[in-house]
Amino acid sequence: QKEVEQNSGPLSVPEGAIASLNCTYSDRVSQSFFWYRQYSGKSPELIMSIYSNGDKEDGRFTAQLNKASQYVSLLIRDSQPSDSATYLCAVNEGYGGATNKLIFGTGTLLAVQP
Amino acid sequence: DVKVTQSSRYLVKRTGEKVFLECVQDMDHENMFWYRQDPGLGLRLIYFSYDVKMKEKGDIPEGYSVSREKKERFSLILESASTNQTSMYLCASSDSYSNQPQHFGDGTRLSIL
Repeated sequence: QKEVEQNSGPLSVPEGAIASLNCTYSDRVSQSFFWYRQYSGKSPELIMSIYSNGDKEDGRFTAQLNKASQYVSLLIRDSQPSDSATYLCAVNEGYGGATNKLIFGTGTLLAVQP
Repeated sequence: DVKVTQSSRYLVKRTGEKVFLECVQDMDHENMFWYRQDPGLGLRLIYFSYDVKMKEKGDIPEGYSVSREKKERFSLILESASTNQTSMYLCASSDSYSNQPQHFGDGTRLSIL
């Protein structure tokens, strides 16, 4: 059974701090990795994609990928109360391919304290 | 921007009813997916479709069927609704190029009484 593991949290950080969210995956051949943000009662919203080892930055968000360790992380700099949400890690199944099936973690709840 | 539209945000039905959940996407995506999301269980794939009239079972297909007669529309059918099918249902679509993300609709919160 291919799995994506996340700490369910809650992860509580003060406003302005860096929030670090982590994810591990079991399928060694996975090629694409995504972070989704989901506010309470809403649907998941794509915020980051990463495909290569290293860091990818987009505004206050940085995604980090280490395929050798099968580890993906999301850093949120200058955290704001509006960042309070559940963050889902998603990994493509297998080598990828046209169907783009994803395996989702159960999410980490982030609470940013004003 | 990708737009995935689910027909209802909230729906209340009775046990034994046949329930239809509709999903439409406007990006000409080949792939469409139906998930349910329950507290502590995360997103679970019910069915997906990679082309018109093509479908494959996901992880929890029991009690559900799907229909894809047109590329933009993917329907989820609860043949005889039961209380354990009360859940948030999410539709998603993606392009057929490798390693593309999925884009979600707003979800339908379905209650079966």
